[in-house]
Amino acid sequence: GENVEQHPSTLSVQEGDSAVIKCTYSDSASNYFPWYKQELGKRPQLIIDIRSNVGEKKDQRIAVTLNKTAKHFSLHITETQPEDSAVYFCAPQYNFNKFYFGSGTKLNVKP
Amino acid sequence: DVKVTQSSRYLVKRTGEKVFLECVQDMDHENMFWYRQDPGLGLRLIYFSYDVKMKEKGDIPEGYSVSREKKERFSLILESASTNQTSMYLCASRLGGSGLFFGEGSRLTVL
Repeated sequence: GENVEQHPSTLSVQEGDSAVIKCTYSDSASNYFPWYKQELGKRPQLIIDIRSNVGEKKDQRIAVTLNKTAKHFSLHITETQPEDSAVYFCAPQYNFNKFYFGSGTKLNVKP
Repeated sequence: DVKVTQSSRYLVKRTGEKVFLECVQDMDHENMFWYRQDPGLGLRLIYFSYDVKMKEKGDIPEGYSVSREKKERFSLILESASTNQTSMYLCASRLGGSGLFFGEGSRLTVL
């Protein structure tokens, strides 16, 4: 099956700094690449996604970049705020309705 | 706004009991999913359904079954609960090629 690796597993930044989380995948047929945010005790929520025909997508302070050749995509958060503290999951789609979730990155934004 | 509702937030069951986890979505999504979430393992797909009475196995279907008699409702069944099924269970729905909308989760403890 799909092999997905997410790095780093934990990330601590100062408020206002940028954070980058990288996700590598193995299935070259993957064509949809979402990122989810899960705050402590809450449900995962889709925060941004990208499709394989696009290299970058931005939504206010968050962006996702995709390198299909190298088979990785990254989440970028600029001007981090304490409310960005959460666990972030990448979940490339590798088959009809099947997503392979990464093991998560715990982001801590220090005020 | 999509709403995915899981009937029970917390359950405690005994080994060998039959357990039903119910999930209802209100946005007419054709696809529904059951995941389990365990620390360090991310989210793993148990089963999904792409239409009424249709189901597909995910990555870890052993020990589970599902039922989808109506479009809005997707049930997860543990025929004979075991301690290794203690976990957080997350239901999700999806419209076409969109991302997943998750419920709040059902934390199951099997004693």
